Amino acid sequence: GQNIDQPTEMTATEGAIVQINCTYQTSGFNGLFWYQQHAGEAPTFLSYNVLDGLEEKGRFSSFLSRSKGYSYLLLKELQMKDSASYLCAVRDSTGGGNKLTFGTGTQLKVEL
Amino acid sequence: ETGVTQTPRHLVMGMTNKKSLKCEQHLGHNAMYWYKQSAKKPLELMFVYSLEERVENNSVPSRFSPECPNSSHLFLHLHTLQPEDSALYLCASSQDPRGGGETQYFGPGTRLLVL
Repeated sequence: GQNIDQPTEMTATEGAIVQINCTYQTSGFNGLFWYQQHAGEAPTFLSYNVLDGLEEKGRFSSFLSRSKGYSYLLLKELQMKDSASYLCAVRDSTGGGNKLTFGTGTQLKVEL
Repeated sequence: ETGVTQTPRHLVMGMTNKKSLKCEQHLGHNAMYWYKQSAKKPLELMFVYSLEERVENNSVPSRFSPECPNSSHLFLHLHTLQPEDSALYLCASSQDPRGGGETQYFGPGTRLLVL
């Protein structure tokens, strides 16, 4: 089975930097995804990591350490529109499958 | 725009009703998925179709019946649901024919309320 943990809620200030952590346990790790989901909307793809290290994409960066079962999503220069739920998802290839398992999501609130 | 559309966006049904949710993807993908999203719980994978063949059924009750007539369309037929089935039902698609390999793109979901 899999276990994915991320904080339930976080609050940050506009213009600041916030780091959202995700830890996971899986037997057949084959990649980690971050999605953003605004209330009432579809989850939208943010980033994908399969090798250790940092992937940067504009204001958003994602880091992965496979040995530690750990990832974080870093959001810089926060804007009010970044208030959303951030979902960590792990891809597992155990048994030849290729399933995505999601965490419960971290609800980020950006304040003035 | 994600290229994945779902209808209806909202649905209220009684426990004896039969209804269907529809998903259509315009991305040329060959794998499609149904997820259930309940409050305070993670997205739960329900079904996976790859090249129109069901490759995953995640222990979903038989009152949920999927149908994939072609690689662009996916349906979820609902029959004699329970109030605890009330949730947001999300459809997704991806490129990998094995199902689940590549990035999944989600539709806006159908908000279902079972009375």
